[in-house]
Amino acid sequence: DTAVSQTPKYLVTQMGNDKSIKCEQNLGHDTMYWYKQDSKKFLKIMFSYNNKELIINETVPNRFSPKSPDKAHLNLHINSLELGDSAVYFCASSQEGGRRAFFGQGTRLTVV
Amino acid sequence: EDQVTQSPEALRLQEGESSSLNCSYTVSGLRGLFWYRQDPGKGPEFLFTLYSAGEEKEKERLKATLTKKESFLHITAPKPEDSATYLCAVHGYALNFGKGTSLLVTP
Repeated sequence: DTAVSQTPKYLVTQMGNDKSIKCEQNLGHDTMYWYKQDSKKFLKIMFSYNNKELIINETVPNRFSPKSPDKAHLNLHINSLELGDSAVYFCASSQEGGRRAFFGQGTRLTVV
Repeated sequence: EDQVTQSPEALRLQEGESSSLNCSYTVSGLRGLFWYRQDPGKGPEFLFTLYSAGEEKEKERLKATLTKKESFLHITAPKPEDSATYLCAVHGYALNFGKGTSLLVTP
């Protein structure tokens, strides 16, 4: 059983489009995250979310928005895609309080 | 603001040649220092968590240590399958990662 799963694994889309990436975790964790890994492999936090609060990295454009239909899911919506949004996006989850995070396999987004 | 700096950026070792990776950090209130391994095309995979200075953890050929300012990941007699990117992170509201050390172990 995959603990944290993301779909799709690959996404190619044109500039200006709106797209979503889905994430599900079956670990019963209460906190989920989205990370962006750029071409230099630097892994940068975008959002942290649990049922109490959403923390947004201030450098993330407001074209990006997380949406959580329930505790096990945290989807990432991206509006008006730009070339610079091309990257690998990772979803992760953890128990609250500084515990280790479990990562999905990543979604490689390419904007053309 | 939490900062994590890893060195070297890249390291090439011969099989059996032991070495260490460095992670220096500044954080207000350490809630854990984490080591992850990332293989190409995959998500980071958890290795260790260290919480206090002096703590050490081992797993096969890997040993992680922690001081008040830095952590080391010691690799003893590495094998080609240890080739990967090793990531260090500290916990703020989420894991804040360093840029990683890309390790290549050649036969």
